[in-house]
Formats: sequence, structure tokens, C-alpha cells
Amino acid sequence: DAKTTQPPSMDCAEGRAANLPCNHSTISGNEYVYWYRQIHSQGPQYIIHGLKNNETNEMASLIITEDRKSSTLILPHATLRDTAVYYCIVRVEAGGFKTIFGAGTRLFVKA
Amino acid sequence: GAVVSQHPSRVICKSGTSVKIECRSLDFQATTMFWYRQFPKQSLMLMATSNEGSKATYEQGVEKDKFLINHASLTLSTLTVTSAHPEDSSFYICSAINQETQYFGPGTRLLVL
Repeated sequence: DAKTTQPPSMDCAEGRAANLPCNHSTISGNEYVYWYRQIHSQGPQYIIHGLKNNETNEMASLIITEDRKSSTLILPHATLRDTAVYYCIVRVEAGGFKTIFGAGTRLFVKA
Repeated sequence: GAVVSQHPSRVICKSGTSVKIECRSLDFQATTMFWYRQFPKQSLMLMATSNEGSKATYEQGVEKDKFLINHASLTLSTLTVTSAHPEDSSFYICSAINQETQYFGPGTRLLVL
């Protein structure tokens, strides 16, 4: 699976959009971009995933660049409960699923 | 999304004893489950892949005789930490796949005294 690079930490004001970047310059054509988050002392929570088109669900939006070498997770109106570690992972959708976690980005949402 | 549960949520045991952690997929069947371990302020580390009806596959450096995995049904995988020692104290998390998406359990915090 491709390696990803994320900033170690970010701050965001409550109510503002949180934009979390991820670089995956070695991504292969059949690899998807997945985002998970882990709130303190809990298991990781699935947020969203995509291949090449931008995706949106009730939690977030995922913007993938045209060359697929980077992506941004957007939390449109961050709340204090969004404070967590956010993991960007790239892998093939089917088969294996041996998800390897990097260090992620620690997002602090401040009042 | 799909639900994965773990039991117990936290356990304290004496050094030298064995501890069993259960992982269940509540509303779907999972032929494959995964076990992770997480030390404080670190990321999740994959320990092993649990396959229903066959032997688990362990990651390099993980002792298969110490961390026994049994995936006896399509909804249950168990991890037994045998002869636990204080260095085994950690947060253990399981996950399972449903419809191409991986879902994680809430984790089990193990403290070995």
C-alpha cells in the first residue's frame, strides 16, 4: 500500500471548516483514499473514502486532486467533538484490507 | 455503518495470567477480522489477521504462541494474551470488513499488574 504524509497536528476554531491535507504521491491507479479518525480512548471511526472523484457524506467531504497525489478531508463546521487523530490511508478496496496506520494528524478544535 | 463490539472494554489482571478478548460483528458476517495494538501516544499497530475456519496470520515480530487467535464463527474472533506481563498492557482493537469498508471495535484496555 502507498505511503501517506500528514501534518502531525492542526488547530481549528469551532464552527469553522477544518481542512486536513494528505499527500500520497506514490498512489497506484487501483488504490482508494480512506479517512478514519480516532477520538481519545476509542476505536477508529470510518469517515469517507474515494478513488478519483470528490465525495461527500454526512460527516465530511473528500477532495482528491486530479493527479490523485494528494487529498483534503473537509469537516465543514468543526465542533469540539471533532477533536481527534485523523488518519489518511490508501489501499486497494478489495482484497487484503490489511490497513496500516501512519501517525495521522491530531486535530484540536478550540472554542 | 456496521457495528463491531469488543468485550471486555477494560480488564486488569495479574502478571502470568491469561486474558481473553472477544470481538464480534453484530449485524454482519466477517470471514476476516484484524487485531491491532496501540500503546499510549502511538498509532495502531497491526498484530494479526484472523481468518474464519483457518489459522491466523501474524505480523512480523508478533509471537503467535503468546497472542492466540481463534476465529470460530463468522461473527466472533477471540484474542487470548497468554502469560500476560506488564509490557503487554495496551489498548487492543479489532476490526472487521463489511461491504468493502473496514469497521473497528471500541477497543479493550488491558492493564497487567
